Amino acid sequence: KAGVTQTPRYLIKTRGQQVTLSCSPISGHRSVSWYQQTPGQGLQFLFEYFSETQRNKGNFPGRFSGRQFSNSRSEMNVSTLELGDSALYLCASSFDDRGRTDTQYFGPGTRLTVL
Amino acid sequence: SQKIEQNSEALNIQEGKTATLTCNYTNYSPAYLQWYRQDPGRGPVFLLLIRENEKEKRKERLKVTFDTTLKQSLFHITASQPADSATYLCALLPQFKIIFGSGTRLSIRP
Repeated sequence: KAGVTQTPRYLIKTRGQQVTLSCSPISGHRSVSWYQQTPGQGLQFLFEYFSETQRNKGNFPGRFSGRQFSNSRSEMNVSTLELGDSALYLCASSFDDRGRTDTQYFGPGTRLTVL
Repeated sequence: SQKIEQNSEALNIQEGKTATLTCNYTNYSPAYLQWYRQDPGRGPVFLLLIRENEKEKRKERLKVTFDTTLKQSLFHITASQPADSATYLCALLPQFKIIFGSGTRLSIRP
């Protein structure tokens, strides 16, 4: 089975712009979660989608949003970029049977740099 | 407040020795605890999951313990090798969320 894929792998934007990141989960996985990883804050949970619905949300401002499509692929969007949004954005998928968050399989991440 | 702490931001171990990493948490009642390995510039890779009713789990040279009374998990790598050098993250699964610790950077010197 192919692993989780994320595109693009690297992105450079300027303050005030917006960005859309894409994630394709492992085939058959229904849950997709997004994380932000920075040296100072570590790995922080952004949100989780399951069956096209946001099921859980972390403590990030409304500039961070996401969605999931019927094929389980997911996108996350960050509007009005700030310097502090520079980070590695990771997507993880899981099969999630019986409604529990189970083992997560991570993609390689998208490295976003905001200038 | 809820907190996860991985003691030792960095750990240096001689090859062949056992590396022991610690994960402590407060104000959580996790049903599961996981350990991940992360190499620079890559996403975390799942290693082991242990349930609240399990005391110990093993996989090859890896061993994890989970003490819900002490609110602590220990992660051991026996017969450590330079290839084990990476950052190791513990993660709690209280309910429908997953919460990561900040990680311990492990270096195994030949």
